[in-house]
Amino acid sequence: EVQLVESGGGLVKPGGSLRLSCAAAGLTFSGHSMNWVRQAPGKGLEWVSSISSRSVYIYYADSVKGRFTISRDNAKNSLYLQMNSLRVEDTAVYYCARAYGDFNWFDPWGQGTLVTVSS
Amino acid sequence: DIQLTQSPSFLSASVGDRVTITCRASQGISSYLAWYQQKPGKAPKLLIYAASTLQSGVPSRFSGSGSGTEFTLTISSLQSEDFATYYCQHLNSYPPYTFGQGTKLEIK
Repeated sequence: EVQLVESGGGLVKPGGSLRLSCAAAGLTFSGHSMNWVRQAPGKGLEWVSSISSRSVYIYYADSVKGRFTISRDNAKNSLYLQMNSLRVEDTAVYYCARAYGDFNWFDPWGQGTLVTVSS
Repeated sequence: DIQLTQSPSFLSASVGDRVTITCRASQGISSYLAWYQQKPGKAPKLLIYAASTLQSGVPSRFSGSGSGTEFTLTISSLQSEDFATYYCQHLNSYPPYTFGQGTKLEIK
């Protein structure tokens, strides 16, 4: 069974840092681009960042560019999101998701990890 | 960047009803659209990709259609487990991957 499991969320003060992890199982992790998507409380889905299978191509949403860094370790079947200079508006559930198929539909998704930025 | 607008934002319906949700793109995107279902406290689940291809394991009462700028998700006969929020997403070979704002389907 293909499974993605996020971890690393928690409560952090504005300006602080946090590192999220996403562990993959049941798939050829090194063969797929991976993504982070977030969802603020009561709001819709927002794509955050993407990384290609061998980390050659990396993209960020404008809202996190310069503050967040996506990375992966194919030997460990793991995806990461280093979040620095966190803001209250970064409060959200963060999901990792595999990009699949010719045009990168997202499947599957992890269960999500909650990041709360508050003083 | 392409914008996706879903309508309606809220929809109230009864078990057995046929419902349709629309997603409009700000410019033509061929058939590069996916639909997701999200239940409270859960991760989104892929229902349809390439506008009309049903993901494996998804019930056949779900269907998608459209191309260019207008797309629809139809549930032919609502079941109790279908009450959820639905999102469309622009598919592409590279980001950004835009989502619609969501349609919350509630029990009447």
